[in-house]
Amino acid sequence: QVQLVQSGAEVKKPGASVKVSCKASGYTLADYYIHWVRQAPGQGLEWMGWINPNSGGTKSAPKFRDRVTMTRDRSINTAYMEITRLSPDDTAVYYCARGAAVEVTREMWSDPWGQGTLVTVST
Amino acid sequence: EIVLTQSPATLSLSPGERATLSCGASQSVPSNYLAWYQQKPGLAPRLLIYDTSNRATGIPARFSGSGSGTDFTLTISRLEPEDFAVYYCQQYGSSPRTFGQGTKVEIK
Repeated sequence: QVQLVQSGAEVKKPGASVKVSCKASGYTLADYYIHWVRQAPGQGLEWMGWINPNSGGTKSAPKFRDRVTMTRDRSINTAYMEITRLSPDDTAVYYCARGAAVEVTREMWSDPWGQGTLVTVST
Repeated sequence: EIVLTQSPATLSLSPGERATLSCGASQSVPSNYLAWYQQKPGLAPRLLIYDTSNRATGIPARFSGSGSGTDFTLTISRLEPEDFAVYYCQQYGSSPRTFGQGTKVEIK
């Protein structure tokens, strides 16, 4: 079945970077967009951006544009999201989620989602 | 960006009752590209409804979505014990994609 499996929890110090992985199974990563969404403790969901795993093209929400890099390794069916210059405000669960097929020209919803990766930023 | 406002913040109901959740948009959602997700504690969100009114695979018929433009509704016809959770709307018609702040459906 289609599944996204994310890397484990991370603890980082302010100013550091973190890279979260998202491994696709049950389908070919390159065939569908991957979206990244985060959720701070007790808060709602915040969309961060997407990557087209086929072309490598990306689009980020404005607030993340200068700190977030989304990449992929097609050979191991895995997408990555790296955030630099971490602050305590970046403490959150980070989710990847599958979007539209890359050949589809319309926007689509996100389904399924990975299990989430908790990133804690603390001194 | 399109701001989504969900109401109420909390809905206290009993099993068997009908739940009506609202999602208002600050501007018209292009093509009514709106989804609803359910989230339970410690778990990832689960897609319930896409394109305003289409149930995702495996979602029971008691869940229904409606609306257009700036006003959208998720209805749960008769609440089952497993339906008590937080529900989020999301628009994907305009970038950046945005979510509502969530409605918690709790047991009364």
